[in-house]
Amino acid sequence: DAKTTQPNSMESNEEEPVHLPCNHSTISGTDYIHWYRQLPSQGPEYVIHGLTSNVNNRMASLAIAEDRKSSTLILHRATLRDAAVYYCILRGGGSNYKLTFGKGTLLTVNP
Amino acid sequence: GAVVSQHPSRVICKSGTSVKIECRSLDFQATTMFWYRQFPKQSLMLMATSNEGSKATYEQGVEKDKFLINHASLTLSTLTVTSAHPEDSSFYICSARASGGVGETQYFGPGTRLLVL
Repeated sequence: DAKTTQPNSMESNEEEPVHLPCNHSTISGTDYIHWYRQLPSQGPEYVIHGLTSNVNNRMASLAIAEDRKSSTLILHRATLRDAAVYYCILRGGGSNYKLTFGKGTLLTVNP
Repeated sequence: GAVVSQHPSRVICKSGTSVKIECRSLDFQATTMFWYRQFPKQSLMLMATSNEGSKATYEQGVEKDKFLINHASLTLSTLTVTSAHPEDSSFYICSARASGGVGETQYFGPGTRLLVL
């Protein structure tokens, strides 16, 4: 699987936007970009995914660079409940749906 | 949204005993379920992929005779840790991929914390 690089940690303030970056310079044309997050002592939670175009859902937005070598997860207004480890994962195309988790970014939200 | 449950949520057992963990998709049918293990302050590590009605595919380094996986129905997969030892103590998490469609999203269970004494 192609590798992703994320900052180990980031900090934000409550009610401010958060931009979580992810580099994936070796991404292939069929790789989907997935974001999951994990709150302490819980299983991961799906956030968003995309292939080429930017994506929006109720939780977040995903901005994908034109060359697809990087992407940014955008939380429009951070809340204390958004404090979690955020994982950016590439999922290869085809019928192999397994996800390989890296270390992710630990997001701290200050009140 | 789709819900995945795990039972039990935590278990303590003696060394040498076997422990079974259940993973259920409550409101959807899961063609594929995945089992992960997570040690403290580490990321999730995929252990195996199970497809309903067929044998599980284990990741390299995971002993298939120690971690028995059964996926007998589209809503239930079980992981049995046989002859558990203290080094098997970990947070075990399952996920399920919905049948049909692109099926890109995996839905994760809340995890089972295993402590082997």
